[in-house]
Amino acid sequence: GENVEQHPSTLSVQEGDSAVIKCTYSDSASNYFPWYKQELGKRPQLIIDIRSNVGEKKDQRIAVTLNKTAKHFSLHITETQPEDSAVYFCAASRNNFNKFYFGSGTKLNVKP
Amino acid sequence: NAGVMQNPRHLVRRRGQEARLRCSPMKGHSHVYWYRQLPEEGLKFMVYLQKENIIDESGMPKERFSAEFPKEGPSILRIQQVVRGDSAAYFCASSPPGSGGEEQYFGPGTRLTVT
Repeated sequence: GENVEQHPSTLSVQEGDSAVIKCTYSDSASNYFPWYKQELGKRPQLIIDIRSNVGEKKDQRIAVTLNKTAKHFSLHITETQPEDSAVYFCAASRNNFNKFYFGSGTKLNVKP
Repeated sequence: NAGVMQNPRHLVRRRGQEARLRCSPMKGHSHVYWYRQLPEEGLKFMVYLQKENIIDESGMPKERFSAEFPKEGPSILRIQQVVRGDSAAYFCASSPPGSGGEEQYFGPGTRLTVT
């Protein structure tokens, strides 16, 4: 089955700096990669996703890059704000999309 | 359009009791997924259901756990004879038909504590 690894497990940045979270996956058949943000005690919320036919996708301060050859994808948050503080999860899924394999999460702390 | 609903939000059970977790998908969604999240860990897939059908239960423990999604009513995750190791947050997600499982919208979760 698929194995998704995520690094770092914790990340602390100063407000205004950039944050980068990296994930690797093992199943070359995976072709859909969503990122979720989970605030303490709340539900995971989709913030951005990318499909395998695209190398990069941006949405305002958030971007995701995908390297299919190396089987890794990354989340980039620019101009971080305190409200970005949360746990971020990457996930990978195959073409039939019937289940997501999640990374172990990155706890991002943005210091004001 | 109400989001994915789960109840109860918190559930306390003694060892050996049964736990029933309910999930009402978003309106129009016919696919339901259950995930378990242990403290400080990521979400682990348990089961994927469509109305009246279990499509993929590869993540479900073989014993004590069962799931259903009847024609009418919410999806139910049932844990019999709970043990302390079952303490976790259980999230369900739903997606619309034809989406292929993308756009999974998560409910607020049920936090199960086994004492």
